[in-house]
Amino acid sequence: NAGVTQTPKFRILKIGQSMTLQCTQDMNHNYMYWYRQDPGMGLKLIYYSVGAGITDKGEVPNGYNVSRSTTEDFPLRLELAAPSQTSVYFCASRPSGQGENTEAFFGQGTRLTVV
Amino acid sequence: RKEVEQDPGPFNVPEGATVAFNCTYSNSASQSFFWYRQDCRKEPKLLMSVYSSGNEDGRFTAQLNRASQYISLLIRDSKLSDSATYLCVVTGHFGNEKLTFGTGTRLTIIP
Repeated sequence: NAGVTQTPKFRILKIGQSMTLQCTQDMNHNYMYWYRQDPGMGLKLIYYSVGAGITDKGEVPNGYNVSRSTTEDFPLRLELAAPSQTSVYFCASRPSGQGENTEAFFGQGTRLTVV
Repeated sequence: RKEVEQDPGPFNVPEGATVAFNCTYSNSASQSFFWYRQDCRKEPKLLMSVYSSGNEDGRFTAQLNRASQYISLLIRDSKLSDSATYLCVVTGHFGNEKLTFGTGTRLTIIP
């Protein structure tokens, strides 16, 4: 059981380049999330999804796009990389519902530097 | 007002001491609450869920006060290994399943 897997772990992009951060989970969770975490700061929600075909903006969606064609995969796309997007990106998933056993599981993160 | 607020600290406490963190949330319809732990440059990991009746796991106790909209975490007999950032996490009500994190409280246990 791999849990949540993110690739790549590290990446350096030049300004204006594009890339896709991959996230896949094998726990059959309906809910998936993308966060960014700047140094010394908290996690900010970029986008989230409550199921295949459904996505919603979070707190900081500008400059990013997502898709959710399957339950397992939730890729994050950066179209025109900017230095302000230098950050650590975390993907998470959790089961639907409330209360017990609905905690989120995180991938190990992608450290992105835009130069 | 932020959706989830925490005292950022840092909290520097001696080994063996008891330390408490509070977290307030703005959405009165929030249904699920968690405390996560994050070590430096690592992903957040679940420390414990927070139930309406309060719950305890070894040296850790979590409480929920819905009327005042805050949750708390108490760590007793703190260990050096407890040094980390503690994140308060709150979900939205059913149909709005955003998972919102507080900024985290940094704890350092001093030998």
